[in-house]
Amino acid sequence: GESVGLHLPTLSVQEGDNSIINCAYSNSASDYFIWYKQESGKGPQFIIDIRSNMDKRQGQRVTVLLNKTVKHLSLQIAATQPGDSAVYFCAETGANSKLTFGKGITLSVRP
Amino acid sequence: NAGVTQTPKFRILKIGQSMTLQCTQDMNHNYMYWYRQDPGMGLKLIYYSVGAGITDKGEVPNGYNVSRSTTEDFPLRLELAAPSQTSVYFCASGTGTVSEKLFFGSGTQLSVL
Repeated sequence: GESVGLHLPTLSVQEGDNSIINCAYSNSASDYFIWYKQESGKGPQFIIDIRSNMDKRQGQRVTVLLNKTVKHLSLQIAATQPGDSAVYFCAETGANSKLTFGKGITLSVRP
Repeated sequence: NAGVTQTPKFRILKIGQSMTLQCTQDMNHNYMYWYRQDPGMGLKLIYYSVGAGITDKGEVPNGYNVSRSTTEDFPLRLELAAPSQTSVYFCASGTGTVSEKLFFGSGTQLSVL
C-alpha cells in the first residue's frame, strides 16, 4: 500500500492492495477523531471514530490509528475495492464539540 | 427514516438575488449544522443550532442567516448572493454528544453568476 499526507490531493492504489491515508491535526486538546467518506455527488458518511484514550480501533476492513505524541491520525483500508474510491476527510473535535474537518484526500482505485 | 433531506440539489443565482436552502431531518436530533465545501477544500461551518430557537455562528457566517423554529427544520438564507458564495452546501444533524457522528444531507450545489 501507499501512504500520503493530506497535503497531497490524491492517492492511487491498485485494487486489492491496502491503502493508508494520513492526517495531521493541530489541536492537542482534541479528544475525538472521525474519518468520513464522501462519494461523488453525496454528503460525507461516517466510517470510523476513535477517542484520544485509544491508539487503535478496527472496523470492517478499516483501521484507525492515533498517535497523540505527534498528533497524527491514519486510516488503513484493507484489500481496497473500487467502491472505496471517494474523498476521505479526517475530523477532530474537542471540548466545544464542533467538528473541524481536514481538506480531504481523493482515493482512486485502479482495476 | 429519510435522514437529512436538502432541497434544492442545484441552483443558479444572479448576483444580488436571495434564496433559502431547505434542510429537514427526521431523526429527532437536537443539533443541526450548515457547512460549505469549496473545491478541493474541507468543510467550513457556517451556522449551527443546538435546539429549536437557538442558533449560533460558525467559522464563516457572513452573508448567511439561519432560523430554527422546529427541531426538524434548519433553513439557510442567502440575502444578497455574491460570487464568493458559489459552493456546495451541506446540512448535517447529530445528537450533540461528545461522540458526534454527524449525518449529512446530499448537498446543494449553488452557483452565483
